[in-house]
Order: sequence, then C-alpha cells, then structure tokens
Amino acid sequence: SQKIEQNSEALNIQEGKTATLTCNYTNYSPAYLQWYRQDPGRGPVFLLLIRENEKEKRKERLKVTFDTTLKQSLFHITASQPADSATYLCALDSFSSGTYKYIFGTGTRLKVLA
Amino acid sequence: NAGVMQNPRHLVRRRGQEARLRCSPMKGHSHVYWYRQLPEEGLKFMVYLQKENIIDESGMPKERFSAEFPKEGPSILRIQQVVRGDSAAYFCASSGTRDEQYFGPGTRLTVT
Repeated sequence: SQKIEQNSEALNIQEGKTATLTCNYTNYSPAYLQWYRQDPGRGPVFLLLIRENEKEKRKERLKVTFDTTLKQSLFHITASQPADSATYLCALDSFSSGTYKYIFGTGTRLKVLA
Repeated sequence: NAGVMQNPRHLVRRRGQEARLRCSPMKGHSHVYWYRQLPEEGLKFMVYLQKENIIDESGMPKERFSAEFPKEGPSILRIQQVVRGDSAAYFCASSGTRDEQYFGPGTRLTVT
C-alpha cells in the first residue's frame, strides 16, 4: 500500500546548525513533492514545491532535494533559528481516478534550541 | 488579497447534532480541498471539489459526511448526527493549479 514516512520523533537542534528532515515514500510515483510548515493551532503554510525532474530547490535558508530512485526527499534549514521551531509536513501528489490530490505525511516536529 | 477563510473557528456540538463548516477560498481559486487532523497526526484528505462538482471524495466517510462547493458562496462540509469520534480540526485549502495549496486557519470541532 502507499505510504509516506516522516520521522515521528521530535528533532532538537542547536541554534545556528542545519536541520535536516526526511520524507520517505513507498508505492508512489509523485510528479510533485511539497513541504509545509505548521505551527500549533494553525493551518499549514506552503514552503517549497519540487518536481520529479528537479534534484534540488532552494529558497533563502531552505533547501529541498528529491531523489526518485531512493524515493526520498530531504528538507534542510541552514543557520536554524528558534523561530524555525514548528512541525514540518511533506506532501506528495497522488493521481487516481483521473484526478490529482495531495497526500500528507504525519510531520516532524522541529525544536531549535537557543 | 484575503486568504482562505474558515468559520466558525471553534464549534461545539452535542452527539446527534449537525455540524456545518464553511470555507471561502482565496479569490480566483476554483479548487477546494478538505482535510481532517487529529492531535499528533497528519492531515487526512477528505474531499476535493471544484465549483459545483465533487472531483474526489475518496477520503470521506460514506455516511453522515457530505460536501459541496456551490456556484455562489462558500464550500460547506456537513457532518450529520455527530459522534465523539468526529472531534478534530478540519482544514480547508484552496489552489488555482496543481501547485501549492493555501490553507485556512481550521475549524476545531468538539463533540460532547
């Protein structure tokens, strides 16, 4: 069956370090992969989209990689700050019944320690 | 440009009552998605709608749940005869294309 796995354990890192979050998937062949940030009590906020023919995408301190052979995406936050503390969700597009929809992972909680 | 709006933000219903959740997509967006989120869990897809059409409802329970996106007005997610297990945060998202989705602040439903 189709599955998206994100590390369910919280990730604690020291301010200034690079945070790396992982999204693994099985039995999917997504054309698009997205990363979102969610703060407690709020809706997710879109961060980055990467397409299957793109290996890497950057936006300010964020970098996403997409390895369709390994079926994995890595999400990096460089020079992390306490304000980056949040839950980060990956989402893959799934084509079925003639339409696309996004399937979300359960998210990884990141805590950046001052 | 106003973002996605959802109301109410909090909704308390007794078992057996009906819950109506509203979502106004961003201006110019014709795609609306509803998701459900339980504490410490990810977003679960429920339904994808375009104006006057249900495109994909594969994530919606077969009974008691329905959704619509009329030609005029907001999208509505309706839960009839609510049970305690329906308590969750319900998020709506809109998009103009297959690219990023813009989420609303969610409606937190509590069934007592």
